[in-house]
Amino acid sequence: AQRVTQPEKLLSVFKGAPVELKCNYSYSGSPELFWYVQYSRQRLQLLLRHISRESIKGFTADLNKGETSFHLKKPFAQEEDSAMYYCALWAGSYQLTFGKGTKLSVIP
Amino acid sequence: DVKVTQSSRYLVKRTGEKVFLECVQDMDHENMFWYRQDPGLGLRLIYFSYDVKMKEKGDIPEGYSVSREKKERFSLILESASTNQTSMYLCASSWQGQIYGYTFGSGTRLTVV
Repeated sequence: AQRVTQPEKLLSVFKGAPVELKCNYSYSGSPELFWYVQYSRQRLQLLLRHISRESIKGFTADLNKGETSFHLKKPFAQEEDSAMYYCALWAGSYQLTFGKGTKLSVIP
Repeated sequence: DVKVTQSSRYLVKRTGEKVFLECVQDMDHENMFWYRQDPGLGLRLIYFSYDVKMKEKGDIPEGYSVSREKKERFSLILESASTNQTSMYLCASSWQGQIYGYTFGSGTRLTVV
């Protein structure tokens, strides 16, 4: 069965520092991967999809099939990036498999 | 611009009550999902539906049931609410294939006292 692991429950960084939120997955096929974000008191929303290879709000994520990882990165953290981040995988079934989430706190 | 609407933002119910959580989407999505979100446990799938009148159990279906009589509406039912069902409940919908991922509702914070 597929699994998504986000090893950090909480990540604290200073404003302007680089950010890397880790995501590892286990799946033998070719997955579709996503990052979702939930800002305080807002709904969970899609941040980016690996298939679109886009940069959203300065965040990027590269799928590394060799390391089975899809880490989320941003070169310079902003206070407004403070949120809960979830990595998710689609393995061809009806539903996505989510990690347990990482809470990012950007210290001013 | 709201596409997935959950009927209540906050609910307080008594132990033993029957509770209905409603979710409506206006995107003509085939799939609909109910999750609960708890600190440290992430998102846990309760039930999902891939078509009208179709339902599948997720990871934690015990104590819950669902109903999907129309494509746009997916209801979560707590048959007899208990305090351990106090949680944030999230509804989501998606196309048949997951290329675009889910669209989530804003959530219902349920407290069972």
